[in-house]
Amino acid sequence: QQQVKQSPQSLIVQKGGIPIINCAYENTAFDYFPWYQQFPGKGPALLIAIRPDVSEKKEGRFTISFNKSAKQFSLHIMDSQPGDSATYFCAASRGGNTPLVFGKGTRLSVIA
Amino acid sequence: GAVVSQHPSRVICKSGTSVKIECRSLDFQATTMFWYRQFPKKSLMLMATSNEGSKATYEQGVEKDKFLINHASLTLSTLTVTSAHPEDSSFYICSALVRDGHYGYTFGSGTRLTVV
Repeated sequence: QQQVKQSPQSLIVQKGGIPIINCAYENTAFDYFPWYQQFPGKGPALLIAIRPDVSEKKEGRFTISFNKSAKQFSLHIMDSQPGDSATYFCAASRGGNTPLVFGKGTRLSVIA
Repeated sequence: GAVVSQHPSRVICKSGTSVKIECRSLDFQATTMFWYRQFPKKSLMLMATSNEGSKATYEQGVEKDKFLINHASLTLSTLTVTSAHPEDSSFYICSALVRDGHYGYTFGSGTRLTVV
């Protein structure tokens, strides 16, 4: 049972474009929703995270949109650059000492 | 802040030997740490959760006797792959729960294990 469903699996955008990655969850006990960026051979790095009491959060070029009623959240990358080419993972947790549950990842390629 | 240092970054070992991977929290106390395994082009798969001073809780299907986890201090957790075989070759990543005023999860840089 996949608790966090992520799409698309891969994405190619032109430089300056706005890639959008979507995630959906079923467990309403989740209350923390981060996005991570991972480069090959490296550990995931936190980009931005949101709690269910907020519908949108921006940090630099990264924006999370959160729809609690639909149990969906998405990542938007403004003015994408070739250096943004990486794998992006959405995740969710129930808080406390519980582990993150990850989506399957999206491989983003930003072409010049 | 909230940095986790993971070592080694790469290790090659012979079949039948054991390998230890260390994960240290540098600037915070990590009462809870997690160990993940990642296959090429796949997502992170949770192996176990460890709380300082307690036995680790392993996910279903993860062999406790093969993947020994020790979390004896608030700044160090170790994963020992015992009697390693080629199928244990993978990318192992540790993560620590951060609760120093901000809530979140920080990750180590990962360890590429190759068993030959």
